[in-house]
Parts: sequence; structure tokens; C-alpha cells
Amino acid sequence: EVQLLESGGGLVQPGGSLRLSCAASGFTFTSFAMSWVRQAPGKGLEWVSGISGSGGSTYYADSVKGRFTISRDNSKTTLYLQMNSLRADDTAVYYCAKTLRCSSSSCYRGDGFDYWGQGTLVTVSS
Amino acid sequence: DIQMTQSPSSLSASVGDRVTITCRASQSISSYLNWYQQKPGKAPKLLIYAASSLQSGVPSRFSGSGSGTDFTLTISSLQPEDFATYFCQQSYTTPHTFGQGTELEIK
Repeated sequence: EVQLLESGGGLVQPGGSLRLSCAASGFTFTSFAMSWVRQAPGKGLEWVSGISGSGGSTYYADSVKGRFTISRDNSKTTLYLQMNSLRADDTAVYYCAKTLRCSSSSCYRGDGFDYWGQGTLVTVSS
Repeated sequence: DIQMTQSPSSLSASVGDRVTITCRASQSISSYLNWYQQKPGKAPKLLIYAASSLQSGVPSRFSGSGSGTDFTLTISSLQPEDFATYFCQQSYTTPHTFGQGTELEIK
């Protein structure tokens, strides 16, 4: 059974940092790209960042580029999101998600997210 | 970035109705279009990928169509458990943008 379990959310002051983790199990982690998607309270879904199975290709939304870093440790089957210079508008539930299939090894193009974690809430407030 | 626009933003319907939600991309995305269902407090669930492929375990009353810039999600006969919010998403190129969502409510 595929499981994705996020952790690391919490309350942080503006300008602060936080690292989210997503522990994966039930599938061959290295074979699949992964992404982070967030949802601000009462709002829609926003794709934040993605990473290829090898970790060699990473992608970011403009809203987080230069502040957030996605990474993965395939030996620990864990996905990470390092978030720096946090702002109030980063407040959201953050989900990790597994890509169903990629069209290339870099995975800038592929199919949808077939498994999602339960989400972890990040609140940026003073 | 590719903009995804869904319509309508909200929709009231009854059990047994046929419902169609549309999604338009700001440029061609071939068939790299996905549909998700989200219920309050839950993670999204993949319904349709590649515009028209039904994800494993999803009831056959859900179907998708389209290519290029215009896509539709159809629910052939609404069931009580289908009342939720639906999102489209393009996975043609990063950022993999989502539509703003369509809230499907009980009439």
C-alpha cells in the first residue's frame, strides 16, 4: 500500500524557516517524480515544486523560487521541502504527491498525481 | 506560465443529474490534463489523467475529453458522494498549474 506521510509543519514567524518531510513507502521511490502542492485556507490548489526520481531535475513555482528548495533522499525514501524567508502568504496546508508517470526522465511533463499525503499545516504569523 | 480556467466556479445539481465541468488552457497542452476531486479536509483524489484516462478505482460515471486547450469532465449520473470540489491541472510543462476549482453542491 502506498503511503505518504508529511511532517514538519507548524507556526513560524515571517522571515523564518521550516523544513517539511514526506516519508514514502509502498512503491519504488526512486522510480517516481514527486511534488509539493499547497492549499491556502479556503483557497484552491497551487503546485509549488517538483523533483525527478533521481533528484537531478527540480522545478519551482515563481512564487517560491529562490526561497524554497526541494530535495529527496532516495536511501531514506523521503522527500523534503526547505522553506526559507517565509511570508504570510505561504500559510497553507502542504501536500506531497507522487507522480503517476513521466514523459521523460526529467519529468517536466507527465501525468497526474496518483497518491497524496494527508497534508501538513504551515502557518506564518507573528 | 500556463493559465487554467474552469467554468463554472460553482454548480448546483441533483442526484442523478448529468454534469459537465469545463477547463480551458491559455495555450495548447496536448492531452496533459488531469482532473481531481477534493472533499473538505481531505487530500485531492486523481480521477482522470491524460485528458480521458480513468484512474484505477474511479467509477465509470466519470469521464474526460478534450485536447489542445479545451477539456471537459463529465459525471454521467451524480451520486451523493460526488458532491465535492473539482480541479483541473495541466502537466504539460512546469509550473503544473491548477484551475481555480468548481464547487459542486446539492440542489
